[in-house]
Amino acid sequence: AQTVTQSQPEMSVQEAETVTLSCTYDTSESDYYLFWYKQPPSRQMILVIRQEAYKQQNATENRFSVNFQKAAKSFSLKISDSQLGDAAMYFCAYLLSYDKVIFGPGTSLSVIP
Amino acid sequence: DGGITQSPKYLFRKEGQNVTLSCEQNLNHDAMYWYRQDPGQGLRLIYYSQIVNDFQKGDIAEGYSVSREKKESFPLTVTSAQKNPTAFYLCASSTHDRAEAFFGQGTRLTVV
Repeated sequence: AQTVTQSQPEMSVQEAETVTLSCTYDTSESDYYLFWYKQPPSRQMILVIRQEAYKQQNATENRFSVNFQKAAKSFSLKISDSQLGDAAMYFCAYLLSYDKVIFGPGTSLSVIP
Repeated sequence: DGGITQSPKYLFRKEGQNVTLSCEQNLNHDAMYWYRQDPGQGLRLIYYSQIVNDFQKGDIAEGYSVSREKKESFPLTVTSAQKNPTAFYLCASSTHDRAEAFFGQGTRLTVV
């Protein structure tokens, strides 16, 4: 069965600095999708970034980028130039086509002014 | 605009009553999901559906029921058998061909 692990329950970063959130997953499949979602205090789930497993190039979205290591089954999120609005819960998720979305337990990110 | 709509945003239920949470999407997504989130916790899958008239139990299906009579709709009923229903409920949908997954704004259910 597929599983997603986030080993850092809480992280903090100084404003304007860079932080990396870790995610590992377990799967026997070769073609799947990985996501990072942000959940601010409003509890709305916001898609931050998406990565197709068949693509070797790491996805980037403005200040957000991933380090996708398929062989190691690792999918970390790097946030550059951290802003106060980045403070939230971050969830790593895995999706196999025609199957369910599986979420990690989340990492709570605090941004220190 | 396309999206997922959950209603109501806040819901109160008396003990022993069934209550139904609504989830509607106009994204033409095939798959829909219901998750439960407790304070400070992650998302736990209750039920999911890949196609109309078919659905599967997730990790915590006991005390819940669903239906998928239309592609756009996936209502969740919280029955009186659910021992601790107070939680935040999130509905999501995804498409198989592009593997995008989107969420509704959630329903906060409180048992009084």
